[in-house]
Amino acid sequence: DTEVTQTPKHLVMGMTNKKSLKCEQHMGHRAMYWYKQKAKKPPELMFVYSYEKLSINESVPSRFSPECPNSSLLNLHLHALQPEDSALYLCASSPGLAVSYNEQFFGPGTRLTVL
Amino acid sequence: GQQLNQSPQSMFIQEGEDVSMNCTSSSIFNTWLWYKQDPGEGPVLLIALYKAGELTSNGRLTAQFGITRKDSFLNISASIPSDVGIYFCAGRQDNYGQNFVFGPGTRLSVLP
Repeated sequence: DTEVTQTPKHLVMGMTNKKSLKCEQHMGHRAMYWYKQKAKKPPELMFVYSYEKLSINESVPSRFSPECPNSSLLNLHLHALQPEDSALYLCASSPGLAVSYNEQFFGPGTRLTVL
Repeated sequence: GQQLNQSPQSMFIQEGEDVSMNCTSSSIFNTWLWYKQDPGEGPVLLIALYKAGELTSNGRLTAQFGITRKDSFLNISASIPSDVGIYFCAGRQDNYGQNFVFGPGTRLSVLP
């Protein structure tokens, strides 16, 4: 099973709302990622968790708050977003960071629209 | 930072034709991944390459890890309509602890 699941598939929120994106994998992977993707652009890394600890934060604004409750789950909490934050948010997982064969598998994404 | 270039940016081909695209960098990479992305969906991993010179196939897809370690190639044989999409390469310079850099993508359109 090489599946990464994400919920919800679509999300519309106002600038004052608080919402969360969820991601789950059951491949035993120990690294999980959040990416942001704008139309016609490649995925842009936001956060990396390794063994449930935040390993990389690519200078993401604090209105995005990641959380890794356990090795299978990854959340992205959203608060006070701006319209320019509208994008496809992708979750990915890989066996780990310090491994040679470190293929990343992506989920289907959450299409976020901020009004 | 590291940058990857992909060419062509886009291509229009007839169904049944073979397709070639590549990914290049000015830096050496130790891992190359090739993904295909359909509109509104997440990227799907097609092929992973780990050794210079490695040639790997997945059905009608064949990818090669360039011997200079600065490039990779993806070929699709006998294209079909469902091959339409954006193909991304992703490279990693270090085998340990670093993340993948994505190329800008090649948009493939298949004409019936």
